[in-house]
Amino acid sequence: GAVVSQHPSWVICKSGTSVKIECRSLDFQATTMFWYRQFPKQSLMLMATSNEGSKATYEQGVEKDKFLINHASLTLSTLTVTSAHPEDSSFYICSAREQLTGIWQYFGPGTRLTVT
Amino acid sequence: QKEVEQDPGPLSVPEGAIVSLNCTYSNSAFQYFMWYRQYSRKGPELLMYTYSSGNKEDGRFTAQVDKSSKYISLFIRDSQPSDSATYLCAMSVGQAGTALIFGKGTTLSVSS
Repeated sequence: GAVVSQHPSWVICKSGTSVKIECRSLDFQATTMFWYRQFPKQSLMLMATSNEGSKATYEQGVEKDKFLINHASLTLSTLTVTSAHPEDSSFYICSAREQLTGIWQYFGPGTRLTVT
Repeated sequence: QKEVEQDPGPLSVPEGAIVSLNCTYSNSAFQYFMWYRQYSRKGPELLMYTYSSGNKEDGRFTAQVDKSSKYISLFIRDSQPSDSATYLCAMSVGQAGTALIFGKGTTLSVSS
């Protein structure tokens, strides 16, 4: 149980285009989902926290107009990287907190974004 | 000073060795302490968690938290090649489902 999926697993896009990444909790309902970014040999850095049905809370230094987060249902959150640039190339990982106990964060497998 | 410090390694050990991984932290408000294992190009997988101070054992893995020293450890006994991965410590002030602060991760390689 407690499986989180991400789609796509790998995406290459051209500079200036937008990319949408989906995060789904497959067998549980998640009131809260988190989006992290991880650069090579670096730690996971929290980008934003999204609660179902409300606006996401962004961490300091993360541009909310560039990284659009939508958490429209208890099983789906999306991250859209708008007007992507090469410096946005990174590994994006989502996690979901289970609704009932709210104790654990379960992580998705990650999405590797390469902007050319 | 970063909130969570973790030696990135890499750490190379022979199969069967005891491995010690450590993190230090500065925020005394941290209450939940976790260890995640991350294989290359994969998401982190929760290995162990501890609330407040103390030890916790699960099979070959033992997690220790010393809040007085702001120091946590993960011990792996009888290490296996399949243990080769990056190990990330993570901490949170509230319940483990709240925002986590991660260490950089230590890359471990166990040779057969």
